[in-house]
Amino acid sequence: AQSVAQPEDQVNVAEGNPLTVKCTYSVSGNPYLFWYVQYPNRGLQFLLKYITGDNLVKGSYGFEAEFNKSQTSFHLKKPSALVSDSALYFCAVRETARAGGFKTIFGAGTRLFVKA
Amino acid sequence: GAGVSQSPSNKVTEKGKDVELRCDPISGHTALYWYRQSLGQGLEFLIYFQGNSAPDKSGLPSDRFSAERTGGSVSTLTIQRTQQEDSAVYLCASSFGLAGESYEQYFGPGTRLTVT
Repeated sequence: AQSVAQPEDQVNVAEGNPLTVKCTYSVSGNPYLFWYVQYPNRGLQFLLKYITGDNLVKGSYGFEAEFNKSQTSFHLKKPSALVSDSALYFCAVRETARAGGFKTIFGAGTRLFVKA
Repeated sequence: GAGVSQSPSNKVTEKGKDVELRCDPISGHTALYWYRQSLGQGLEFLIYFQGNSAPDKSGLPSDRFSAERTGGSVSTLTIQRTQQEDSAVYLCASSFGLAGESYEQYFGPGTRLTVT
């Protein structure tokens, strides 16, 4: 079965510094990978996805993620963190569902705190 | 356009009662998902509908949980004989769900269920 791991429960970074939220995956075949964000008291939002092509994927709010096949990683990055980036971030991978079709498996989430 | 909507937004119920949670997906989305999120925690997959195919129920925690999707659109998640451990936010999401999908999910605001 496909899976994703987010090794850090929490990441702390100062505003203006670069941030990285880590994600590793385990899949059979080509991975379809996603990042979602959940801001306080708001719903989950899609940030970006990797399907194929360039290993560096750009998404919403200035975020990007780098797909690394040899390290089976898909880390989320931003060059300069904002206090407003403080949220709960989820990495996800597509998995084949029973009875056909596909479903998405989410990691446990990483809480990002950006201090002013 | 209209996003995924869920109702009610909050539900407080007594232990042992049955509850029904409703999800209206985005028009045209054939895939629909239910997840459960305990306070500040990760997403627990519950059930996945894809078009007219039999749903993937592999995530339902017990036989007290069931879900249906009528006409390929609206879905209802039913919890019978609720227990205090059922207290959580129940999230619904939808996506374009063709075979080989790579599409991101769009989440509703969730229903916060409290079992007293």
